[in-house]
Formats: sequence, structure tokens, C-alpha cells
Amino acid sequence: DAKTTQPNSMESNEEEPVHLPCNHSTISGTDYIHWYRQLPSQGPEYVIHGLTSNVNNRMASLAIAEDRKSSTLILHRATLRDAAVYYCILSNTGKLIFGQGTTLQVKP
Amino acid sequence: AAGVIQSPRHLIKEKRETATLKCYPIPRHDTVYWYQQGPGQDPQFLISFYEKMQSDKGSIPDRFSAQQFSDYHSELNMSSLELGDSALYFCASSLGTGAYSNQPQHFGDGTRLSIL
Repeated sequence: DAKTTQPNSMESNEEEPVHLPCNHSTISGTDYIHWYRQLPSQGPEYVIHGLTSNVNNRMASLAIAEDRKSSTLILHRATLRDAAVYYCILSNTGKLIFGQGTTLQVKP
Repeated sequence: AAGVIQSPRHLIKEKRETATLKCYPIPRHDTVYWYQQGPGQDPQFLISFYEKMQSDKGSIPDRFSAQQFSDYHSELNMSSLELGDSALYFCASSLGTGAYSNQPQHFGDGTRLSIL
């Protein structure tokens, strides 16, 4: 399974945009880029996923580099409820291999 | 909207006992995944099923087995429990497009298993 690299932690101010980076230089042509987040004491929650093109949904946007070796999850206006561990995961078989993730802190 | 239901929410067992965890997927979801999350660790994939057949297998101990039934619910059976099995066990379901689906996975709230 191809690996991803994310910063251990990031901080953001409430109501400001947040850009969470992910590097995946060994991504294969069939790997989808998935983002999940896990709030304290809860199960992981799907955020967004994509293959080649940028994606938008009600929660976030996913910007994928042209060479697909990196991607960025964009939260347009962070709220206190967005404080969580964010996981960037590559998968082409469905199973999710969770790495370290980025712990996002949101300051009021 | 209906979510993934896991039971029980909490389970306490002693070493060498057996445990059965149940997972009821979102209606019409035909794919189920099981994950284990130890204290302070990231979730780890155990096993998955698509249309009642095992579709993928991760680092699941031989003491564990699982199956998916005709109504698509799944059970994780754990025997000869060890202290290291104490963890949160999550089930997730998705609408499969085949044995290897990249559709979003919806997670349950988990079963917290404690081994004394």
C-alpha cells in the first residue's frame, strides 16, 4: 500500500480556512485519495475522496496536484467542531490503511 | 438517516474467554469492514466482506473470525481473548461496486472491548 506523509499537527483560528497537506509520491494510477477524520471518542468520519480532479462537497474541497503526488484538504471556514485527527489515505481496494494523521486544533 | 449500528457498545471479558461483536450496516449497503483501534493508536484494518464473501484481509489474528450473513449484518468472533485485544472495534459499511469498492465508508460508534 502506498504511503502518505502528513504533518503531525496544525492549528487554525475559528472561521478561517484551513489547508491540510498530504504527500503521496508513490501513488499508483489506480489509487484513490481518501480523507477521513476522527473526532475524540468517535468513529472515523468520511470527508471526501477523489482520483484525479479536484472535488468539492458540503464538508470540504480536495485539491489534487497535477502529478497526483500531493493533495490538500481545504476546510473553508473552520469551526470548533472541526477539531479532529485528519487522515489522508490511498486506496484502490476499499480497505483503509490509517497512518499517523494530522491533529487539527481550532482556536476560538 | 439510518447509520451503522454496532452492539454491544461496551463489553468486558476475562482472558481466554470468547466474544462476539455485531455490526448492522446501513440499509442496502453490501460491504462491511472491521477495524481495531488500540489505546492511543490509529485504526487498523482487520477484514472486509462484499456480498457475504470475504473480500480482503488485514492483520487479523487467527483467533478471530468473521462472517457476513444473508441480511448483510456481520459478526466478529474472538476467542482465547488476550489483554492486548482490549481496543475499540469499529465496523464500517459502504455501497459496493464490486469486491474492491472505493465508495465512502460509514463508521459505527464502535464496541469498546476491555479484557481483564
